Amino acid sequence: AQKVTQAQTEISVVEKEDVTLDCVYETRDTTYYLFWYKQPPSGELVFLIRRNSFDEQNEISGRYSWNFQKSTSSFNFTITASQVVDSAVYFCALNTGGFKTIFGAGTRLFVKA
Amino acid sequence: GAVVSQHPSRVICKSGTSVKIECRSLDFQATTMFWYRQFPKQSLMLMATSNEGSKATYEQGVEKDKFLINHASLTLSTLTVTSAHPEDSSFYICSARGKLAGGWKYNEQFFGPGTRLTVL
Repeated sequence: AQKVTQAQTEISVVEKEDVTLDCVYETRDTTYYLFWYKQPPSGELVFLIRRNSFDEQNEISGRYSWNFQKSTSSFNFTITASQVVDSAVYFCALNTGGFKTIFGAGTRLFVKA
Repeated sequence: GAVVSQHPSRVICKSGTSVKIECRSLDFQATTMFWYRQFPKQSLMLMATSNEGSKATYEQGVEKDKFLINHASLTLSTLTVTSAHPEDSSFYICSARGKLAGGWKYNEQFFGPGTRLTVL
């Protein structure tokens, strides 16, 4: 069975703090894709990153970075020097067969000024 | 590229009426489209998957007679909520995958902006 677990329901930080959002996934497939999406209050999903199972390199994009660890089935997302505009719900997602994308429950991030 | 639009973005209707939501891929051929439902403060739950020209495949627990999906062309899928009731109020999001200018995107889905349905 495929599953995505985002154990953190809500996180609240003060602006400029670093914050890490955890994501743990389960799948028996050897080929799979992991995603992170941001959902601001408007509701529209914003694609942040896609990583395939054969690429364990960590990635940095501006203030965002991702740590992919196959050994622990984790794909964590860190925001450095958080800003108020980062306040949103963040979803981790898993796609294994080209069809269904399974979403985690989401982590609601509040960044206070 | 890979833009997906939804119309309307917001709809309010009376209980018992039917509502149609359109999902369009604007710059690519969407061979497969997905419909998700998201209740407040919850995750996205897949309702159904549709391939162009075929009947939709519904997830367990989703009533196919209530949520009619049509994917008649490579750029358009519609979701009709029939005889809507207040419990159908939700945020409906479509996504699509298919062939872009750079080739097939098998494992990437492109999401529409969503439609917020409120049934009074």
